[in-house]
Amino acid sequence: NAGVMQNPRHLVRRRGQEARLRCSPMKGHSHVYWYRQLPEEGLKFMVYLQKENIIDESGMPKERFSAEFPKEGPSILRIQQVVRGDSAAYFCASSPTGGNNYGYTFGSGTRLTVV
Amino acid sequence: AQSVTQPDIHITVSEGASLELRCNYSYGATPYLFWYVQSPGQGLQLLLKYFSGDTLVQGIKGFEAEFKRSQSSFNLRKPSVHWSDAAEYFCAGLVSGGSNYKLTFGKGTLLTVNP
Repeated sequence: NAGVMQNPRHLVRRRGQEARLRCSPMKGHSHVYWYRQLPEEGLKFMVYLQKENIIDESGMPKERFSAEFPKEGPSILRIQQVVRGDSAAYFCASSPTGGNNYGYTFGSGTRLTVV
Repeated sequence: AQSVTQPDIHITVSEGASLELRCNYSYGATPYLFWYVQSPGQGLQLLLKYFSGDTLVQGIKGFEAEFKRSQSSFNLRKPSVHWSDAAEYFCAGLVSGGSNYKLTFGKGTLLTVNP
């Protein structure tokens, strides 16, 4: 029973390029959450999605960032025109129902480096 | 505002010594509280969680935590540290009901274990 799968593990992009981060939730989980970890900081909530719906994107930067969770396939966090300040670790978590009543399961993260 | 504070950025202990990592919370109501561990380059693993009931919570890897409402604390403890416990530890919380999926993380405590 695979856990939350994120890929790629490491991603290097030049300034101005696009970054696409993928997250496949645990089997049977239909709720996905994205968090960002900046250097020497704790994780910060970005967005909560269910299949085909964005439930809460209050933690997403207003520009360049978008997320989706299609009916089929993984959830995608997309960052357009990346800048150095986007360099961070991005973690995805999933749960079988909405809310964190049982403790999230986190993936191993994607470490984005913008050069 | 809801917050979780970890006062110690870095702690060093000797192998075999006891460990206590501090966590303080600020919430309007009793929060759900969690401790996660992150090994270098890895994702977050849930050590234990507190929802209600017994204030002393047992977790994996020999860890425990005690919820103290009077002190707004949820400190993590282990009686005898192993070298493999060297990692970064994050305390996190959320409130039940409403946005009960949005974890608030502390900034983490880095644990170094000396032989």
